[in-house]
Amino acid sequence: GENVEQHPSTLSVQEGDSAVIKCTYSDSASNYFPWYKQELGKGPQLIIDIRSNVGEKKDQRIAVTLNKTAKHFSLHITETQPEDSAVYFCAAYGWDTNAGKSTFGDGTTLTVKP
Amino acid sequence: EPEVTQTPSHQVTQMGQEVILRCVPISNHLYFYWYRQILGQKVEFLVSFYNNEISEKSEIFDDQFSVERPDGSNFTLKIRSTKLEDSAMYFCASSGQISNTEAFFGQGTRLTVV
Repeated sequence: GENVEQHPSTLSVQEGDSAVIKCTYSDSASNYFPWYKQELGKGPQLIIDIRSNVGEKKDQRIAVTLNKTAKHFSLHITETQPEDSAVYFCAAYGWDTNAGKSTFGDGTTLTVKP
Repeated sequence: EPEVTQTPSHQVTQMGQEVILRCVPISNHLYFYWYRQILGQKVEFLVSFYNNEISEKSEIFDDQFSVERPDGSNFTLKIRSTKLEDSAMYFCASSGQISNTEAFFGQGTRLTVV
């Protein structure tokens, strides 16, 4: 089955700096890669996603890059703010034989210091 | 904005008892999921459900677990005989399509088995 590894497990940055979180996956059939932000006591909330036919996607201060050959994708947050502090999860979704089955990374706790 | 709602927010139950966790997915969504998150760990896929049947399930989703869509709006997860290790946050999610699209998560039900 799919295996998703996420690094780092914790990340501390100064406000205004950039943060990068990386994930690798094992199943070449995976073709949808969302990133979720989870605040304390809440459910995961999608912040950005990328599909396998795209190499990069940007939404204001957040961007995601995908390298299908190397099977890794990354989340980039620029100009970080204290409210970006949360746990971030990457995930990989399959298609056809794995209808709806997703595998999450272990999570990265991001702390943005004012 | 439409949202997935889950009840109760917190459930305490005795070991060996049956529990039913309830979810109301977004009204025009067709695909439904349950996930589990043990405290401090990653989100784990349990089951996906479409057209009144299970599409995919993980190794965690054994015979103690069952899902049902009893009335066209609710989506329930039943744990037949709870064990201490079932203590976790349980998240329901729904999406409009089975893959390559955003899954919306509920706020979760914290299940504590004592």
